[in-house]
Amino acid sequence: QKEVEQDPGPLSVPEGAIVSLNCTYSNSAFQYFMWYRQYSRKGPELLMYTYSSGNKEDGRFTAQVDKSSKYISLFIRDSQPSDSATYLCAMSAATGRRALTFGSGTRLQVQP
Amino acid sequence: EAQVTQNPRYLITVTGKKLTVTCSQNMNHEYMSWYRQDPGLGLRQIYYSMNVEVTDKGDVPEGYKVSRKEKRNFPLILESPSPNQTSLYFCASSFTSTGGFYEQYFGPGTRLTVT
Repeated sequence: QKEVEQDPGPLSVPEGAIVSLNCTYSNSAFQYFMWYRQYSRKGPELLMYTYSSGNKEDGRFTAQVDKSSKYISLFIRDSQPSDSATYLCAMSAATGRRALTFGSGTRLQVQP
Repeated sequence: EAQVTQNPRYLITVTGKKLTVTCSQNMNHEYMSWYRQDPGLGLRQIYYSMNVEVTDKGDVPEGYKVSRKEKRNFPLILESPSPNQTSLYFCASSFTSTGGFYEQYFGPGTRLTVT
C-alpha cells in the first residue's frame, strides 16, 4: 500500500465551479502537508502548505488537514481555465532527510 | 532569475551507455535532491544532498550515482542505464533551515528513454 493515495482523475469541471481535491496518507510522522501544481512539461510548483492540522486560505485556494483522519484537501473556488493542471499532494516529516512523499497527482481540466 | 536548470531536457539512449543529467541552481541553496516521476507512482526521491560533499540515498537509489563537488551543481549519473530507468526526472533545491518549513524548488524536468 502506498503511503499517500490520491485519485488520479481526470477531473473535468466548468469554469466557476468549486473543485475539491483530496489525499489520504498512512504515515503519522508527516507534519508538513503541501499542494503542488504541475503544468504540462513543467516542474511542480508549490501552491501552498500547512503545518499539522488546520485550514489555510490563499485567495481562491483553501487547504485543509485532518490529522486524526489522515486526510487532506485542497479547495479551489471560482475555478478558471488557467487552473487546468495536475495537482500533487506532498507530505514530509519535520526532521530528517526532508524527502517529500507525493501522491500520484490529480489531473484537473476547467472548461471555459 | 532564480531557478533550477536541468540538461538535457530530453534524452533517448540505449541500454548500458553511461549518461549524466546535470542540475544547477543559482539560489545558493544547501539542499539538493533528485526525484523520478512515473505514472501512477508520483515523484519518488532518488538521492539527496544536505550540502557540498554530503550525499545520501533516497527511496529508489538503485542504478544511480550522484556527486556534490560544488554548492550549485548536483549531477545525476546512470552508469549502465536500463529500460526500467525510463522516466521523467526532476532536480529540486532548497535552503536548509534549522527548523520550520522549507520550499523545494523544482527544475523543468528531463525526460529519459532507455531502449
